[in-house]
Amino acid sequence: DGGITQSPKYLFRKEGQNVTLSCEQNLNHDAMYWYRQDPGQGLRLIYYSQIVNDFQKGDIAEGYSVSREKKESFPLTVTSAQKNPTAFYLCASSIGLYNEQFFGPGTRLTVL
Amino acid sequence: GQQVMQIPQYQHVQEGEDFTTYCNSSTTLSNIQWYKQRPGGHPVFLIQLVKSGEVKKQKRLTFQFGEAKKNSSLHITATQTTDVGTYFCAVGGDYGGSQGNLIFGKGTKLSVKP
Repeated sequence: DGGITQSPKYLFRKEGQNVTLSCEQNLNHDAMYWYRQDPGQGLRLIYYSQIVNDFQKGDIAEGYSVSREKKESFPLTVTSAQKNPTAFYLCASSIGLYNEQFFGPGTRLTVL
Repeated sequence: GQQVMQIPQYQHVQEGEDFTTYCNSSTTLSNIQWYKQRPGGHPVFLIQLVKSGEVKKQKRLTFQFGEAKKNSSLHITATQTTDVGTYFCAVGGDYGGSQGNLIFGKGTKLSVKP
């Protein structure tokens, strides 16, 4: 089955802890993205990557970090510097920028 | 930078009524995409419009791209409860765009009363 997976579906962390969200795709897509979704806010871009070993900041990159060591994988770390990390995080991929994006099922992060 | 405004933010309809959401940009768009997100789910691609004045249909859904390529609409005829969800437009960075990526509108949340 081709697709994009995110794990875990729900994640709870204590304030001050870093946490890494997983995103894997087997669609052979070059571009991958991380979005944050808050109620009534739509999708806000955190980071995106067009190619392995390269990534760019989006609109709300502060307090987040990413890596792209493999084409299939684009993990997102939510650091303790992110002031309000509780949100729904969506990973997506596409053949290239501006193409149709395929989304994973999302990870709902709650920081206690 | 490029901005996209989507209206209305919410729409409540009776089953069988029509529904329209609009997406407006301050700049000329190279293309526009529409996505649907069911409650508790993730966005799913519906369609992409590229040409000025383009109209595309998918069963009860009609998508239009404005002649000036600055606005678009999604119209649903005779809504059903399966249409419930949030509809997003997404625009490609225009010529010399700021992000080199899609910019999503805030979405229109549709609820349908049976």
